[in-house]
This record gives sequence, C-alpha cells and structure tokens, in this order.
Amino acid sequence: GAGVSQSPSNKVTEKGKDVELRCDPISGHTALYWYRQRLGQGLEFLIYFQGNSAPDKSGLPSDRFSAERTGESVSTLTIQRTQQEDSAVYLCASSLDYYSNQPQHFGDGTRLSIL
Amino acid sequence: ILNVEQSPQSLHVQEGDSTNFTCSFPSSNFYALHWYRWETAKSPEALFVMTLNGDEKKKGRISATLNTKEGYSYLYIKGSQPEDSATYLCAFNAGGTSYGKLTFGQGTILTVHP
Repeated sequence: GAGVSQSPSNKVTEKGKDVELRCDPISGHTALYWYRQRLGQGLEFLIYFQGNSAPDKSGLPSDRFSAERTGESVSTLTIQRTQQEDSAVYLCASSLDYYSNQPQHFGDGTRLSIL
Repeated sequence: ILNVEQSPQSLHVQEGDSTNFTCSFPSSNFYALHWYRWETAKSPEALFVMTLNGDEKKKGRISATLNTKEGYSYLYIKGSQPEDSATYLCAFNAGGTSYGKLTFGQGTILTVHP
C-alpha cells in the first residue's frame, strides 16, 4: 500500500522567503508527526497531530513555524521568513494513533536548503 | 529536557560478526521505547516498540531487550550482513502529556564490511 508521501523532495530558497512543506500520511492513520534533522544533529521533534488537533506544539523552534492538518489527512508545515539555520531534512511520519504505542511510518523527507 | 543517549556513535564490523549497541533513557515516566533503522537515501523503518520492563523482541537476526528500571535497552544483531549497514535510532516516549512525542537519540552508525 501507499506509504507516507512528502513534497517537495528538495527545496532551495533564499533567506527571508516563506516555504510550505506537505505531508500525505498513510490512509487511516489518525496521528501525524513532524521532525527535522539538521546537519550533524539527531532527529528533533517539532509537532504532532491527533486528527486535526495539535496537542503538543512545544517542539516548534520559533513563531515563524506553523503547521496545520485538514480532513484528518494532509498536513502542511510552513516556515515564514526562512533563516539559514532552518536548513535541514524535514521528516513526516504517521501512525494509527498516538496513544497505543504504534510504530511510526516515515516519509522520505524534504531537504530544505536556505541560501 | 529528556536525555536519550546511544553508544557507540559508530561501529565497524566484519560480515558474520554479532554486535550490539545501547540506548539509555530516563528511568522515570517511561511509556515506550522505539527502535528504528535508517538506511542511507531511505526513510527510517520501525524495528520494535517496547513497553514492558523485561520485554524482549525479535525480528529475524535482530533482537532487543528493555530494562525500564535502570533505563536502558540493547539492540543485538546476530551474524551481521552488509545490508544491515544503517543508522540505528532509539526513541523514548514519556507518555502523560507527551504521548505523541518521541525523543530520539543521536543514533549508532553501523557499517558491516564484506
């Protein structure tokens, strides 16, 4: 079956521009997660959704970052006024739900480069 | 801030060797411990989700154990093959108000030489 799909796979943009990253989870998965990995660092939690609600936004690095999810399906992560430190691989994952210890299924990621 | 440590950082073994690595996590507020394998140019793949103290899980040549009282998990690979080369990540879930949040370790990079 179809896995988690992310787009674009690569994005190069100039500092100060806004970017939008998209994630299509596995059908039927109610939980969706965003992570990022900056060069030389580990996977860093950003935000998760249960349905269309985000119970924990504590990982968003600044108010330039926002995320939404609609129809308990597609999610977009928006970064406004991008900075060079935003350069990273952004990974999306989904799972059946967030509370019953289901494994997370990851997409291939979006590699974001800020010039 | 939760501290999840993995050791060693990297490991080189010969084909056929058995190997193991460690994940350390806080022993309080434990909910679950995940293991993932991340091969270059692919997405992370779930290996195990472990929840109970003393849990042992096995998938082919890979197995894992869990000690929640002392805060560690071991991942074992028996008879390593070149295709086992990957970064192995563990991730801690503290539950409670952080149900959906995984805190990842930095990973152990395994290279298996033919």
